[in-house]
Amino acid sequence: DQQVKQNSPSLSVQEGRISILNCDYTNSMFDYFLWYKKYPAEGPTFLISISSIKDKNEDGRFTVFLNKSAKHLSLHIVPSQPGDSAVYFCAASAISNFGNEKLTFGTGTRLTIIP
Amino acid sequence: DAEITQSPRHKITETGRQVTLACHQTWNHNNMFWYRQDLGHGLRLIHYSYGVHDTNKGEVSDGYSVSRSNTEDLPLTLESAASSQTSVYFCASSPGTGGTYEQYFGPGTRLTVT
Repeated sequence: DQQVKQNSPSLSVQEGRISILNCDYTNSMFDYFLWYKKYPAEGPTFLISISSIKDKNEDGRFTVFLNKSAKHLSLHIVPSQPGDSAVYFCAASAISNFGNEKLTFGTGTRLTIIP
Repeated sequence: DAEITQSPRHKITETGRQVTLACHQTWNHNNMFWYRQDLGHGLRLIHYSYGVHDTNKGEVSDGYSVSRSNTEDLPLTLESAASSQTSVYFCASSPGTGGTYEQYFGPGTRLTVT
């Protein structure tokens, strides 16, 4: 049972335009969400996160939006750059009192930025 | 600089052999995790540890084992390698304190079971 879903395996966007990557989740216990970026032959690297007490978090060109009622989050990249071409993973966790956590990952979306 | 390393980076082994993948982190993180990445499945959790001598099964733990004898290392052992275990394996760590949930990943080990 896939609790975190990324329904678009791939996405192509023109350089300079906005890239929007989507993620849906089913587990209502999830209250912390992260995006990771992965280049070929490298490990995933943390990009941006959001807690369920917020509906938006920005970091430079990257913005994550959370719609709790729809159990949906999205990552916006604007403007898109060639170096943004990578696989993006959405991940979710339930916040614990101990600071321990497991992450549940989506299947990933391959973003290609077209020069 | 603190880091997380994995070795070997590439491994080819035969069906039935025992294989151990190493993971070493120098951040002094409490939590360590092992994932496998397969096309169409994303990253799936194999085993994880919240501290020395603590180990827990993830969603795809069958055929794998881990042990945590110190803070820095969490080796992953495939007891009897199977072709279905051909995959890319990632180790990750996180502080486990302070309400931070980001995990930091190693570079991965590509394992081929023939």
